[in-house]
Amino acid sequence: DSGVTQTPKHLITATGQRVTLRCSPRSGDLSVYWYQQSLDQGLQFLIQYYNGEERAKGNILERFSAQQFPDLHSELNLSSLELGDSALYFCASSPGTSGGLTTDTQYFGPGTRLTVL
Amino acid sequence: GNSVTQMEGPVTLSEEAFLTINCTYTATGYPSLFWYVQYPGEGLQLLLKATKADDKGSNKGFEATYRKETTSFHLEKGSVQVSDSAVYFCALSDRTGANSKLTFGKGITLSVRP
Repeated sequence: DSGVTQTPKHLITATGQRVTLRCSPRSGDLSVYWYQQSLDQGLQFLIQYYNGEERAKGNILERFSAQQFPDLHSELNLSSLELGDSALYFCASSPGTSGGLTTDTQYFGPGTRLTVL
Repeated sequence: GNSVTQMEGPVTLSEEAFLTINCTYTATGYPSLFWYVQYPGEGLQLLLKATKADDKGSNKGFEATYRKETTSFHLEKGSVQVSDSAVYFCALSDRTGANSKLTFGKGITLSVRP
């Protein structure tokens, strides 16, 4: 058990709908990362938050957004869903640093499997 | 940009066989290198890591050495078990700045026969 929790475990929805995925990081970790795992794209970095602020963006679609709350949990919002958004979405957390070199190891949650029908 | 290349899979071995999974990388700066494992139906688990050249990461009988001269981080295990059947991902983290996002290889599926 990594200490990172994600809910729900499975989500089945229809095209055009909007869903919210939730992540609670390990106790004390300030950084949260979101990744998408699909058969054709592999594991892709979406976005990072550090202590409530967006820190980096990867291959995240404009239909997707995220935020990190004062209690450090994070939510990933996916809207106008398409069939191609079906994937496993992982959250990871690390202690995080405010700048300079970092050797943070990321610990992953169990993932949310999204199926868009 | 950063990239990670893993050998093509899948790999099927008999129990107690020797395992090598190749991983090479391209990165600016001095990345940290990781191996993650994903068991069927589960999330990613950190297997081992190395943060500088010539470091050797090890865990559960697996080893990998950070080779800067060949930009490689090959995973090895002397004697695999059926329970090692999983998908293995090589990854790097750019250590410059506060953004330490992971760049992953495509992953390789290992199946170990009894």
